Amino acid sequence: DSGVTQTPKHLITATGQRVTLRCSPRSGDLSVYWYQQSLDQGLQFLIHYYNGEERAKGNILERFSAQQFPDLHSELNLSSLELGDSALYFCASSVGGKGYEQYFGPGTRLTVT
Amino acid sequence: AQKITQTQPGMFVQEKEAVTLDCTYDTSDQSYGLFWYKQPSSGEMIFLIYQGSYDEQNATEGRYSLNFQKARKSANLVISASQLGDSAMYFCAMREDSNFGNEKLTFGTGTRLTIIP
Repeated sequence: DSGVTQTPKHLITATGQRVTLRCSPRSGDLSVYWYQQSLDQGLQFLIHYYNGEERAKGNILERFSAQQFPDLHSELNLSSLELGDSALYFCASSVGGKGYEQYFGPGTRLTVT
Repeated sequence: AQKITQTQPGMFVQEKEAVTLDCTYDTSDQSYGLFWYKQPSSGEMIFLIYQGSYDEQNATEGRYSLNFQKARKSANLVISASQLGDSAMYFCAMREDSNFGNEKLTFGTGTRLTIIP
């Protein structure tokens, strides 16, 4: 158990819908990262938050947004869902800064039908 | 160009043997970190081992060691005395430190390891 929690574990929804994925980092970790794992794209970085502020963006679609709240939990919002958004979405956390490991949550498996 | 290359899509290894999973990387940064993660069939990503570019000694964590050859830009994972529970996908990843505040990991395509009883 990495100490990072993600809910829900599985999500099945229809095209065009909007969903929210939730992540709670390990106790003491200030950084939260979101990654997407799909069969065709592999593991890709989406976005990084540190202590409530956005630090870096990767290949995140405009239909996707995220935030980190004062209690350090984070939410990833996916809207206008398409079939291609079906993937495993991971949240990872770390203390923040160079030289620190990123610990991954169990992931949310999103299926868009 | 691929930043992380894992050339072995799949490997079969006899139980109790040692196994080496290959990883080469490409970066112009002087400061970077290299990571290995294990992903069992259940899907979670399990952190195994970390090597910083300035670390002089190879990292070790129990049965896992990282064979870091900086000049060759390789960071191979060695698993000693393999066990059936080691069957999983293994990902090599890199964090480049030139981008201030951007601590993203770039992943390879993975190696599927199967341990044969």
